This record gives sequence, C-alpha cells and structure tokens, in this order.
Amino acid sequence: ETGVTQSPTHLIKTRGQQVTLRCSSQSGHNTVSWYQQALGQGPQFIFQYYREEENGRGNFPPRFSGLQFPNYSSELNVNALELDDSALYLCASSLAQGPYNEQFFGPGTRLTVL
Amino acid sequence: AQSVTQLDSQVPVFEEAPVELRCNYSSSVSVYLFWYVQYPNQGLQLLLKYLSGSTLVKGINGFEAEFNKSQTSFHLRKPSVHISDTAEYFCAVRPGGIQGAQKLVFGQGTRLTINP
Repeated sequence: ETGVTQSPTHLIKTRGQQVTLRCSSQSGHNTVSWYQQALGQGPQFIFQYYREEENGRGNFPPRFSGLQFPNYSSELNVNALELDDSALYLCASSLAQGPYNEQFFGPGTRLTVL
Repeated sequence: AQSVTQLDSQVPVFEEAPVELRCNYSSSVSVYLFWYVQYPNQGLQLLLKYLSGSTLVKGINGFEAEFNKSQTSFHLRKPSVHISDTAEYFCAVRPGGIQGAQKLVFGQGTRLTINP
C-alpha cells in the first residue's frame, strides 16, 4: 500500500510567480486536504476536495486554488506569490465514509518565495 | 469555530524522565481530539486520538493522553522519554460527526527536546 506522496520536495520561486504543488493520495482514499505550515507554526487548513469538488475552505484568498482528479490525486495552485506564502505545504488523504476517518499526511513540499 | 492552545512552546526533558505536553481547546460543539508528531523534515504522524468512550487514550511509542471535558484539556504524557522522542508535537481538534469538511484545527506546537 502506497502512502501519500507529494512533489516536488522543495521549490524556490520569486514574488509574483505562480506555483503548482502535487499530491497523490493513499490507495483507496477519495478525499484530499491541503494545509499550510509556516515556520514555527501549526498547520492551517487551506481546503479539502472530495469527488473532484471543493468541500470546505479555510481563511485563504482566492489566489489559492485546487483541483482533484478522477484518480483522487490533487493539485494546489498559488498565483501571485507573496513572501508570506513561504511555508511547508502538507497534503493529507482520507476516506470520506463514516463519522471519522484518519487523515494520512504526506512529507510536504517546502516552498520558498524570494 | 474551534481553537487549540498548546501551553508550552518548548519542553526540555532529560532522558528516561516523564513528560507532559499540555493542550487546551475551545469549541461550541463536540470535537474529536488528536496528537500528532512531526520529526525534522517530515510530515505529520498520528500519535493518538480521542473520539468517544474512555477518556484515557493510549497511542503509539508509549504515549497516552487524557480527555478532560470540564477543563477542555487533552494533555499528552509519557512516563519515560527517549532521545528518539525529540520532535515537534501538535494537538488538533476536529468537529465531531460527519457534517462538513474533515478540517483539523492545530495548535502552535510544542518542541520536545530530550537531553541525555
């Protein structure tokens, strides 16, 4: 069974550019959540995708957008990058059935905006 | 809305000593509670969770936590720590039930440093 994978591992961009981060969910999981973890902080919920639709969003501006594909993999896109977007971006997958399903986290993508 | 406060940003402990990492939460609805561990340059790993039932929850690596509804706390404990327990620990909550997104709300984290 393959766990959650993310690519790339590290990324350096300049202010104003656009970036796409990718996540492959764990086998059998149909829900993907994205979190932003700034240095020295806890992760913050960006949004969640279920069956290719956004299923909840945190307090992030519209320049943060996402996609989920039929194979349940997902992308996080950030436009017009700002310095404060520098962070570790974590993807988590889960199975959306029943009252509780554990979210399994990937290793993250570290984004540096210069 | 939910919020989580981890009362200590850093906890230094000697090897084989006991440790307690404190977590308080705020919520107007019932919640599920979690502790995650993050080793350097890695993602988050679930240590333990409280969904319902017994208020004392046992997790991996010898950790346990106790849910106290009246004090809205979920403190993490280990009776004897090892060097390998050095990591960042995060307390998190999620609204109970199936409504809405499975959104986790995290605390700021506690850096546990084990000294020989």
